[in-house]
Amino acid sequence: KAGVTQTPRYLIKTRGQQVTLSCSPISGHRSVSWYQQTPGQGLQFLFEYFSETQRNKGNFPGRFSGRQFSNSRSEMNVSTLELGDSALYLCASSDRGGKVTDTQYFGPGTRLTVL
Amino acid sequence: SQQGEEDPQALSIQEGENATMNCSYKTSINNLQWYRQNSGRGLVHLILIRSNEREKHSGRLRVTLDTSKKSSSLLITASRAADTASYFCATDASMDSSYKLIFGSGTRLLVRP
Repeated sequence: KAGVTQTPRYLIKTRGQQVTLSCSPISGHRSVSWYQQTPGQGLQFLFEYFSETQRNKGNFPGRFSGRQFSNSRSEMNVSTLELGDSALYLCASSDRGGKVTDTQYFGPGTRLTVL
Repeated sequence: SQQGEEDPQALSIQEGENATMNCSYKTSINNLQWYRQNSGRGLVHLILIRSNEREKHSGRLRVTLDTSKKSSSLLITASRAADTASYFCATDASMDSSYKLIFGSGTRLLVRP
């Protein structure tokens, strides 16, 4: 099976802009989670989608949003970008009932730089 | 604050030696997982240990879990240069009816050839 894929791999934006990141989970996986990784805060959970519904949510402001499509592909959107949003954004999917706390299969990440 | 904290933050060993990393967490868990991340890339799942298990093996990896001390350790035996990576523990947590994995700060392992 193909792994989790994320596009684009690298992105440069300026403050105030918005950005959309895409994630395709492993075929058959219905749970998709998003994480932000920064040197200062480490790996932090953003949210999880399952069957097109946001099922779990971390502690991020409303500027961070997401959605999931009927084929389980997911997008994450960040509006009004701030310098602090520069990070590696990781997407992960899980099988076996698709719990967000089950084994996660991660994509390679999207490196977002905000100037 | 993070649920899991790894110790040490960085570890440098010679190829062939064993590497031990520790993880401590704060609240009760259902399971604890270990992941590896090669420089700036995605995480790879290594092993999951449930709260009712004390020890688990996978190849050169051995994980122990002590729920009374709220701690876990990851042992990599006969290390190789390819084991150079950051290692994270992750625990399940719930807050306000929302569930998630909380990752520790990670241990950076350098295996010198």
